[in-house]
Amino acid sequence: GQQVMQIPQYQHVQEGEDFTTYCNSSTTLSNIQWYKQRPGGHPVFLIQLVKSGEVKKQKRLTFQFGEAKKNSSLHITATQTTDVGTYFCAGPNDYKLSFGAGTTVTVRA
Amino acid sequence: DTEVTQTPKHLVMGMTNKKSLKCEQHMGHRAMYWYKQKAKKPPELMFVYSYEKLSINESVPSRFSPECPNSSLLNLHLHALQPEDSALYLCASALAGERTDTQYFGPGTRLTVL
Repeated sequence: GQQVMQIPQYQHVQEGEDFTTYCNSSTTLSNIQWYKQRPGGHPVFLIQLVKSGEVKKQKRLTFQFGEAKKNSSLHITATQTTDVGTYFCAGPNDYKLSFGAGTTVTVRA
Repeated sequence: DTEVTQTPKHLVMGMTNKKSLKCEQHMGHRAMYWYKQKAKKPPELMFVYSYEKLSINESVPSRFSPECPNSSLLNLHLHALQPEDSALYLCASALAGERTDTQYFGPGTRLTVL
């Protein structure tokens, strides 16, 4: 079955620096969704990408869907303490969402 | 209103207890989900309800029993749980459960089984 792999598992970032988390699928995806889960919280929907090569921005967050629709990335610029949490990508797999393992981000002030 | 609510927020129960988790949404969504999430892991799908009918059971043990009384409510009945069932239980809803639908998660119930 389809698997969604996400790297890195952990990202320790100095405040103000940029970082990127990557998501790869073993099969072509119809769309990919990104969620953020704050410590002690629940997954919150961030964005959905549908088109090949699509790029979407939300303030300091840039989301990209690969040309082959098998990979995606989330790039955060000028990291802030509010960016702390775990970022999950998820792709549809038949009737359900297949989640990546998540990238847990910590920020050094 | 894009809110999914869940009660209780926290639950501690013994292995012989019977308890229920509740989930509610008023977005008119027709697909509802139960997930289990262990610490530092992604959510794992347990059940899917589509138009108030159970459409998917991910081989979940019978000590977990879902119920969908109406299109806005979803319950998860718990009986004779094991300590390893301790986890965050998340409810989610989506417009119709199609592949492109966004899932909206509730805040979850943190369950501890003693």
